[in-house]
Amino acid sequence: EDKVVQSPLSLVVHEGDTVTLNCSYEVTNFRSLLWYKQEKKAPTFLFMLTSSGIEKKSGRLSSILDKKELSSILNITATQTGDSAIYLCAARYNNNDMRFGAGTRLTVKP
Amino acid sequence: GAVVSQHPSWVICKSGTSVKIECRSLDFQATTMFWYRQFPKQSLMLMATSNEGSKATYEQGVEKDKFLINHASLTLSTLTVTSAHPEDSSFYICSARGTNQGDTQYFGPGTRLTVL
Repeated sequence: EDKVVQSPLSLVVHEGDTVTLNCSYEVTNFRSLLWYKQEKKAPTFLFMLTSSGIEKKSGRLSSILDKKELSSILNITATQTGDSAIYLCAARYNNNDMRFGAGTRLTVKP
Repeated sequence: GAVVSQHPSWVICKSGTSVKIECRSLDFQATTMFWYRQFPKQSLMLMATSNEGSKATYEQGVEKDKFLINHASLTLSTLTVTSAHPEDSSFYICSARGTNQGDTQYFGPGTRLTVL
């Protein structure tokens, strides 16, 4: 069965800490992995990763895909309270199928 | 804990037919459930919020007669796409929040709808 698993489910850190969120996938004909940040109305798109080993970066956020390990990590450095959110990953596979993980709830305390 | 399932994972239907998608919280009571739809460029849009036992609150621009949402129990919400058309083809995701989870939503894996 195709699935995407995120860990941890929740995480509490203090401002300035660095966090690493994990996403592993088991899908057939994998195409890409997506990361989203859920704060308010709907998750906002962060990254799409298709190639292994190439880091994508946006400010303090970065992500990398490891196709050998069937996993991806999302790193956030120097966390701020505004980073508090649910972070979702999703695997795109086959022609146009997608599978979402349950999300990681990140809380950044001042 | 806090697992949300969706059924079916994917569905193909003919234009004009109705399709029902289920969202279940498997190990907690979901007082609130949310339905999202994916649009081009990976963006997700909130369609509606439903609280158990009451009518769903739809976001602006979402046709409530077309996308029927029912949240009849604390573990189940359904989205029915009525008289589906090819432009309704999309990826639909639900999330659930319960009284023991604070503000945390847990997302279902999603349902791919293809309307021929």
